[in-house]
Amino acid sequence: EPEVTQTPSHQVTQMGQEVILRCVPISNHLYFYWYRQILGQKVEFLVSFYNNEISEKSEIFDDQFSVERPDGSNFTLKIRSTKLEDSAMYFCASGLGGRDQPQHFGDGTRLSIL
Amino acid sequence: GENVEQHPSTLSVQEGDSAVIKCTYSDSASNYFPWYKQELGKRPQLIIDIRSNVGEKKDQRIAVTLNKTAKHFSLHITETQPEDSAVYFCAASKDSGYSTLTFGKGTMLLVSP
Repeated sequence: EPEVTQTPSHQVTQMGQEVILRCVPISNHLYFYWYRQILGQKVEFLVSFYNNEISEKSEIFDDQFSVERPDGSNFTLKIRSTKLEDSAMYFCASGLGGRDQPQHFGDGTRLSIL
Repeated sequence: GENVEQHPSTLSVQEGDSAVIKCTYSDSASNYFPWYKQELGKRPQLIIDIRSNVGEKKDQRIAVTLNKTAKHFSLHITETQPEDSAVYFCAASKDSGYSTLTFGKGTMLLVSP
């Protein structure tokens, strides 16, 4: 069964540094998402992306965050100047869109800001 | 925006017992309600979902019920097994494929042998 893949599995970064999290969605999916999960808390929506543009974003997704689909397969989340509170598990998800088509999640990237 | 409340936060049962996890949602426009199982350090995995035109859906030992009038939905696991131990998240969205998911806070289910 095809899966969403994410790299790296764990990223350790100094506060203030830029970080890029990478995702390869399932190949025929059209909708892409980033969610994050602070340790022990619920999964929170960050941003959705469709047709090469952001379709929706949460209040968490401020100017420090950006997303890109640089080629036909990768979907990236960039955090420009990381803060301690950015430490979390970041999940990428993708979906076909439409009725009865759920979102499929990747294994996540654990981001640790020092 | 949508708000999803989930109870209980932890649930301990004996192997073979049933487990019930309940969620309420606030946005009457929500029409898709998936449940995800997350094992420690792993991805959330979809285990069952229900749409608002259906009251109940079953898949082997797992069932979900939806009361659209009351805006609540529940996950039922029968004949629980130790491998059912995980955190379970309910979620709600206005549609399945492209609307954002709003998650509940999760229920840690522990099934003791």
